[in-house]
Amino acid sequence: EIVMTQSPATLSVSPGERATLSCRASQSVSSNLAWYQQKPGQAPRLLIYGASTRATGIPARFSGSGSGTEFTLTISSLQSEDFAVYYCQQYNNWPPATFGPGTKVDIK
Amino acid sequence: QVQLVQSGAEVKKPGASVKVSCKASGYTFTSYGISWVRQAPGQGLEWMGWISAYNGNTNYAQKLQGRVTMTTDTSTSTAYMELRSLRSDDTAVYYCARGSGVISRYWGQGTLVTVSS
Repeated sequence: EIVMTQSPATLSVSPGERATLSCRASQSVSSNLAWYQQKPGQAPRLLIYGASTRATGIPARFSGSGSGTEFTLTISSLQSEDFAVYYCQQYNNWPPATFGPGTKVDIK
Repeated sequence: QVQLVQSGAEVKKPGASVKVSCKASGYTFTSYGISWVRQAPGQGLEWMGWISAYNGNTNYAQKLQGRVTMTTDTSTSTAYMELRSLRSDDTAVYYCARGSGVISRYWGQGTLVTVSS
C-alpha cells in the first residue's frame, strides 16, 4: 500500500500571501495524484488531478506540480474562502487510492 | 447537473450492519464508477472502495475486506454501501463520490453513521 504524507500539518498564512503545501508518496505514483479542498461540514472538492490539471471551475490561483514521489499545491494569493483543509490522493496503484493526512491552512 | 443524494443519518449498535444509499442524477449512471470515502470525527479522509456502475466490479480497501459490500441498482441509479459487524471506530461520515476512476469530481452530502451501545 502506498503511504501518503503531507507537510506541514498546519500552515498559517495571511490573506493575499502565497501558500505552498507538500505531499509525498512512499513510492512513485507517476502523475496520478489529486488534490482536494475540504471546509468544515462540507464534502471535499476536487481541485487538481493528474498532479497539475485544474478541475473545472477551479480558480487559476491554485496550481499543482510534481511527479514521482514529490508534489506541491500552490495557492498564489490566499483568499478568505481558501482557508480549509487540503488532502492529496494517489490513484496510480489502487486499491487503495490512499489519501494523505491533510494540511490545514488557517489565518495568520 | 450532476447530483448525488445520500440517505439520512443512522445510529447503530456494535455488531450491527448499516446500508447507506447514494442516488445519482444528471448523468448516465452506468458511465461512471462510484467511490466511497469515510471520515471519522475530526480525522482525515479514508478511501473505502469503488464500484463500476457499468458492470458491478468492485475494489475494496483491504482493511474492510469481508465487512463491506458495494452494490448498484441501475434501474434507480442508486449505489449502496453496506458495512457489517460495526465497531465504535466505524463512526464516521460516509461519502459517495463520482468521477473518472477514483478521481472524485462530484460528492454526495455525506451520511453520518454513529456506532454506539
